[in-house]
Amino acid sequence: AQKITQTQPGMFVQEKEAVTLDCTYDTSDQSYGLFWYKQPSSGEMIFLIYQGSYDEQNATEGRYSLNFQKARKSANLVISASQLGDSAMYFCAMRERNSGNTPLVFGKGTRLSVIA
Amino acid sequence: EPEVTQTPSHQVTQMGQEVILRCVPISNHLYFYWYRQILGQKVEFLVSFYNNEISEKSEIFDDQFSVERPDGSNFTLKIRSTKLEDSAMYFCASSVAGGGNIQYFGAGTRLSVL
Repeated sequence: AQKITQTQPGMFVQEKEAVTLDCTYDTSDQSYGLFWYKQPSSGEMIFLIYQGSYDEQNATEGRYSLNFQKARKSANLVISASQLGDSAMYFCAMRERNSGNTPLVFGKGTRLSVIA
Repeated sequence: EPEVTQTPSHQVTQMGQEVILRCVPISNHLYFYWYRQILGQKVEFLVSFYNNEISEKSEIFDDQFSVERPDGSNFTLKIRSTKLEDSAMYFCASSVAGGGNIQYFGAGTRLSVL
């Protein structure tokens, strides 16, 4: 079974609009972490935002926010006021046993295209 | 801002040759990782390293692979005898202990096995 599911292979959004990228996860652990990374066409992986399973508030980092719905096991990324530079692949990832150096498990990604 | 540095950015090799991919993690980080991404696919974990030994490894990380921290700054991934299917982007990452253990990635090394 997939640990991380990203159901949107591709998304389009108009510049300056908000967009939500979906992510659902599957774990039986109580302690876990959820992450979003951005991969532009140049290939590097850029950390965007983190949410711990015990965090009560949704994480926010500038224009990025994580809509964490624990009961639904979803961790959607919301990008507000989209910019052309936001065009990239976006990966959702999870770390079970949220401590030490437990590895990340990634989803297949969503390609976001921002249109002028 | 501190960053993870990987060299080379692109490595071309012949099948059966040995390659060493190099990484300089962020200086105060204690945990180190290698991941790989075959073109168009998701990122997959290879190995994690802490306190000079392997903490965890995936099924991909077989006897052809090894990791080493030869000095206080470098972290290397060696593939002993490359195969065509080893062609991928290889990412090094590092993290501190605590604080969500955010893993920061390098820009990657694209390995092409011919």
